[in-house]
Amino acid sequence: NAGVMQNPRHLVRRRGQEARLRCSPMKGHSHVYWYRQLPEEGLKFMVYLQKENIIDESGMPKERFSAEFPKEGPSILRIQQVVRGDSAAYFCASSDRGGSYEQYFGPGTRLTVT
Amino acid sequence: AQTVTQSQPEMSVQEAETVTLSCTYDTSESDYYLFWYKQPPSRQMILVIRQEAYKQQNATENRFSVNFQKAAKSFSLKISDSQLGDAAMYFCAYRSGSSGSARQLTFGSGTQLTVLP
Repeated sequence: NAGVMQNPRHLVRRRGQEARLRCSPMKGHSHVYWYRQLPEEGLKFMVYLQKENIIDESGMPKERFSAEFPKEGPSILRIQQVVRGDSAAYFCASSDRGGSYEQYFGPGTRLTVT
Repeated sequence: AQTVTQSQPEMSVQEAETVTLSCTYDTSESDYYLFWYKQPPSRQMILVIRQEAYKQQNATENRFSVNFQKAAKSFSLKISDSQLGDAAMYFCAYRSGSSGSARQLTFGSGTQLTVLP
């Protein structure tokens, strides 16, 4: 049973470009969470999605950031017009249909904005 | 809002010795879960141990155990017989257990554990 997959593992973007981060949850999981880890800090919640629905986006910056989890395919975290402050590790976690309290994390995507 | 505090940015322990990492949290809820995650240099987040607030018995997983003091809102992690592979950043995390409430994890700022040979 494959774990949570994230790609790319490393992404370099220039200021003003768009970054698209992908997350494939564990098989059978329909709940996806995105977290951001700034350098030297803990993980901070960004958004919680179920298939085709955003459940809680209280941790998402108001501008430039969006997320989706379509019926088919991976969840996507999209950052438009990236700035240096967006440089961070972005982690995706998934949990099962029953809303199990255990979240399984992917390996993360390290975004560097130059 | 819930907060999680880890007051030890760095800790070190001699191989085969025991070390305790501290965590305190603040919440007005009675139903919740607490976790310790390990983040090695690979940056993969690995669940070490979890504790349900309604359980009085402290959770144990092999060499890892917790001291859960609900009234004091304290949740420390004890690592016995420390091994070199235990070296990592350790994060304490909180999750609400109430139905319909937010399901995200709230993390502390982490404790960097060094294991000395």
